[in-house]
This record gives sequence, C-alpha cells and structure tokens, in this order.
Amino acid sequence: AQKITQTQPGMFVQEKEAVTLDCTYDTSDPSYGLFWYKQPSSGEMIFLIYQGSYDQQNATEGRYSLNFQKARKSANLVISASQLGDSAMYFCAMREGPETGGFKTIFGAGTRLFVKA
Amino acid sequence: DAGITQSPRYKITETGRQVTLMCHQTWSHSYMFWYRQDLGHGLRLIYYSAAADITDKGEVPDGYVVSRSKTENFPLTLESATRSQTSVYFCASSELGAYSNQPQHFGDGTRLSIL
Repeated sequence: AQKITQTQPGMFVQEKEAVTLDCTYDTSDPSYGLFWYKQPSSGEMIFLIYQGSYDQQNATEGRYSLNFQKARKSANLVISASQLGDSAMYFCAMREGPETGGFKTIFGAGTRLFVKA
Repeated sequence: DAGITQSPRYKITETGRQVTLMCHQTWSHSYMFWYRQDLGHGLRLIYYSAAADITDKGEVPDGYVVSRSKTENFPLTLESATRSQTSVYFCASSELGAYSNQPQHFGDGTRLSIL
C-alpha cells in the first residue's frame, strides 16, 4: 500500500547551516512522483521541489535539493544556508502513477523546522 | 484572478448537522483533492477526482461525500457531522503533466469546528 513516513516531528538548525529532513515512502507503482511542500505559520501550502521516479539526477531548486535514493525508497529534503524564514512545517508527498490506477497523492505527517538565530 | 478558493474560511456547526465545504478553481485543472489536516497526522486524503463525474476514495473517506458535476467545482459534504471531523480542510488542484510532475495548488483552507 502507498505510504509516506516522516520520522522527525521537529528539527532545530542554526541559521546559515544546512539541514536534512527525512522522508521514506513505499509504493508498488514503478512510476511515481515525490514532492516537498512548505507550510509557514500563516497556513498556506507552498510547493518546493519535485523528483520523478525515473529521474536520474537529484532535483535542485535554489537552496533546496532532494537526496533521492530509489533503492532505499527515501527522498530527503536538504535546505542549504538556512534562513529564519525557513522556520515552518515541511511535508513530503507522493503521487502514484497509472499502474495503481489513480494518481492519488498522499502526504507524510510533516516535520516542523525551527531555525535559530 | 486565477486561483483556487475555498469557502467558508471558518465554520462552526453542531453534531448531526450537514455541512458543505466549497472549492472552486479557475485553471481548469483535471485533478482535484480534499485533505484534512490534524496535528500529528499531516494531511490525509479524503477524496480526489480525476475529472468531472469521476471521483475516488482516499485514505479517510468515511463520513464524507463529494461530487464533481463541473470541472471547476469540487464540494465536500459532511452528511452528519461528528466531533472527530473537527479539522482544517484543504482543497487542492493540479494538472497531471508528464510523469505526474505537476504540483498541487492549494486553497487557503477551511477551519471547521463541530460542537
């Protein structure tokens, strides 16, 4: 069954340092997409980065990169040079492909990141 | 303005009442989703829809009903509200894109309290 796991309820990081947020997933579909979203205290959901199951290279978007280890079924988000504005809730999500017949998208429980000055 | 809007933003109701949360998107996205967000659970998928008149259950569909007669609208109905359905509800839409790579666009959420 489709499943997303984020094992870190909360993380602290010093400003300007890098931080890794963990995400593991499980699916029987060979075609899937992995997403990371940010939810600040204001509540909106902001898309950060995408990784496809067939992508050969790890995705990068500015200070965000995705450490994709397909054999381990992990898709960790790396934030480089943390800023105070990065303090937020971060969600990992997975969309399955046509093999399982739905393109359903599910989310993990989230990791709350606190950036310290 | 293009976007996805949810209404109402806040709703208080009593157990046993029927309540409908509205979701409207202007992009003509094929896919629409309803999630509930609860502390410790993240976002849990209630129902989703691939197109008008096509809906499917998500992770937690019990107690909810959806319909999608038009591409742009995807209302969520709680037929007989219970306290356990107190939550923040998010609607989202997306196109499919190549290899499912299109992100979801979320509404601002509806905070629902059931007394």
